[in-house]
Amino acid sequence: QSVLTQPPSVSGAPGQRVTISCTGSNSNIGAGYDVQWYHQLPGTAPKLLIYGDNNRPSGVPDRFSGSKSGTSASLAITGLQPEDEADYYCQSYDSSLSGSWVFGGGTKLTVL
Amino acid sequence: QVQLQESGPGLVKPSQTLSLTCTVSGGSISSGGNYWAWVRQHPGKGLEWIGYIHYNESPYYSPSLQSRLAISVDTSKNQFSLKLSSVTAADTAVYYCARGRHYYDVSGLNCYFDLWGRGTLVTVSS
Repeated sequence: QSVLTQPPSVSGAPGQRVTISCTGSNSNIGAGYDVQWYHQLPGTAPKLLIYGDNNRPSGVPDRFSGSKSGTSASLAITGLQPEDEADYYCQSYDSSLSGSWVFGGGTKLTVL
Repeated sequence: QVQLQESGPGLVKPSQTLSLTCTVSGGSISSGGNYWAWVRQHPGKGLEWIGYIHYNESPYYSPSLQSRLAISVDTSKNQFSLKLSSVTAADTAVYYCARGRHYYDVSGLNCYFDLWGRGTLVTVSS
């Protein structure tokens, strides 16, 4: 059971907008720690999509954006493309116990 | 450009020690504020941070694994390593090495993992 909760799956048609939520608590997102987002194609390593809540590394299209409010964060993908079909993970810091970097359980995005 | 590559046995017997090495190429492991991390992914499951190390600091470990864990860095070989002792079938996973970037803002310390190795599957079985 992950400290950060994500929906197991979301779906959307090409061209549509989808959002993926990441719900935490007052010991992680609610404490103000930044949220990162990664995507992972089958059989490959994760790739950084968003860091610092809403910053895109060089090369990541502006179709991907992040936001945060209270104890939750969201990843929005606009203009959905078939190649966006992948698993998506959020990540933050959790200050409970001895402190640890934590990931969400992951969300499978299906492009219909 | 910096690249990471994991290496080590793909099969480990229960109760033994899992040992993996990550070789950093295209850049120095001693440069900047980089933290060199291990992350694992159980089959069909999500990601789990194991721990990381800065070349000039003591390592940081996941609380759930720290009693069995040792992460070290060898600057002369531009490598960092993972040792996980007393393994069981629950340690079967794909193990990734990654580069962690620290930064500070109003919330305090934050970190993102911007470079990853391709991952290596380690199976614990007799």
